[in-house]
Amino acid sequence: GIQVEQSPPDLILQEGANSTLRCNFSDSVNNLQWFHQNPWGQLINLFYIPSGTKQNGRLSATTVATERYSLLYISSSQTTDSGVYFCAVGKNAGGTSYGKLTFGQGTILTVHP
Amino acid sequence: DTGVSQDPRHKITKRGQNVTFRCDPISEHNRLYWYRQTLGQGPEFLTYFQNEAQLEKSRLLSDRFSAERPKGSFSTLEIQRTEQGDSAMYLCASSLGYRLLNTEAFFGQGTRLTVV
Repeated sequence: GIQVEQSPPDLILQEGANSTLRCNFSDSVNNLQWFHQNPWGQLINLFYIPSGTKQNGRLSATTVATERYSLLYISSSQTTDSGVYFCAVGKNAGGTSYGKLTFGQGTILTVHP
Repeated sequence: DTGVSQDPRHKITKRGQNVTFRCDPISEHNRLYWYRQTLGQGPEFLTYFQNEAQLEKSRLLSDRFSAERPKGSFSTLEIQRTEQGDSAMYLCASSLGYRLLNTEAFFGQGTRLTVV
């Protein structure tokens, strides 16, 4: 199956700093999502971005599908940005795996005041 | 619509007992997924429904696990004869899709199972 690698595994920042999280995947995909998991375990949708670039406030994401990677940018980080960030990808295979996501191991972000 | 809803949020059970979890997807979503997440790991796919049909089951889903989605609406995940290794967060997600067309998946708040 598809392999998803996220880097770095851990990231510690001071409030106001910028950061870039990376997601590499081993095969072509037609589905890619970024999530933020809050301390209660809820996965919050950040971006649905199989290709291209999107921005939402202080967050933006870019997926270069042909080179099999995606980047999540966080600017002017705040303490509320702390948590685990997951990249998840999907690839239709065999006509039955529609929409199934394979997750990376996540990046644990800690933002200090 | 308030999103994907899961019940209960937390469940503590004794080893050997059966447990059942419920997921209510976003109402217009025809695809429903169950995932399991253990501490320090990303969620792992368990099973997938397209309407009421269960189309794929992971190797992670042993014979003690069964899932249903009657009438293509809510879904239940049952674990029989629970083991300590079943302790995890069980996540449900839903999306709208037709064949190769995928749309964004949304997750519920999860059910955290602890087997003692």
